[in-house]
Amino acid sequence: GQNIDQPTEMTATEGAIVQINCTYQTSGFNGLFWYQQHAGEAPTFLSYNVLDGLEEKGRFSSFLSRSKGYSYLLLKELQMKDSASYLCAVRGREGGGGYQKVTFGIGTKLQVIP
Amino acid sequence: KAGVTQTPRYLIKTRGQQVTLSCSPISGHRSVSWYQQTPGQGLQFLFEYFSETQRNKGNFPGRFSGRQFSNSRSEMNVSTLELGDSALYLCASSLARSGQGGYEQYFGPGTRLTVT
Repeated sequence: GQNIDQPTEMTATEGAIVQINCTYQTSGFNGLFWYQQHAGEAPTFLSYNVLDGLEEKGRFSSFLSRSKGYSYLLLKELQMKDSASYLCAVRGREGGGGYQKVTFGIGTKLQVIP
Repeated sequence: KAGVTQTPRYLIKTRGQQVTLSCSPISGHRSVSWYQQTPGQGLQFLFEYFSETQRNKGNFPGRFSGRQFSNSRSEMNVSTLELGDSALYLCASSLARSGQGGYEQYFGPGTRLTVT
């Protein structure tokens, strides 16, 4: 099966930088996603990594190391509106068949304080 | 372009009843996935449909079923409801099916189901 670990909660200061880590175990790895979910709202897509390295998109960057089963989401110049849950999701092969599916971690609740 | 829509947004049912939830994907998207979200378990994958065929299924009992129509709209049905089925049910659509590149999912607002 697939297993994803990420911290449950983090607190950071407005204007600072925060790194949210995600470790995973899966068969047939085929991509890692990060989603942002504000309380009471649906998740929204942030980033997608399938090759090793850093993907930068504005204030948000995501890093992947496939050999280590590790990813992180980096948020720069934190704003109060960044207070949300951040979900790490991995696409991999389920069981012995050819089907693939996306498995979500439980999410990291980030609180940005003044 | 209109986003993913789900109906109804809120639903209250009693144990033993059945329920049908509906999802309309973004125009042009052929893949629809369903997820159950609870505070303790996070997002749990239910199933994925692509071109009217179920492509993958999560670890949920047979009481949970779904289907997709030729216009890509999808329905999810839960029979013999249990208290533990109370959750937010999210639908997500994408252009590509699971396993293909560019599999960015767009989520609908969800249906909040309460079973009493």
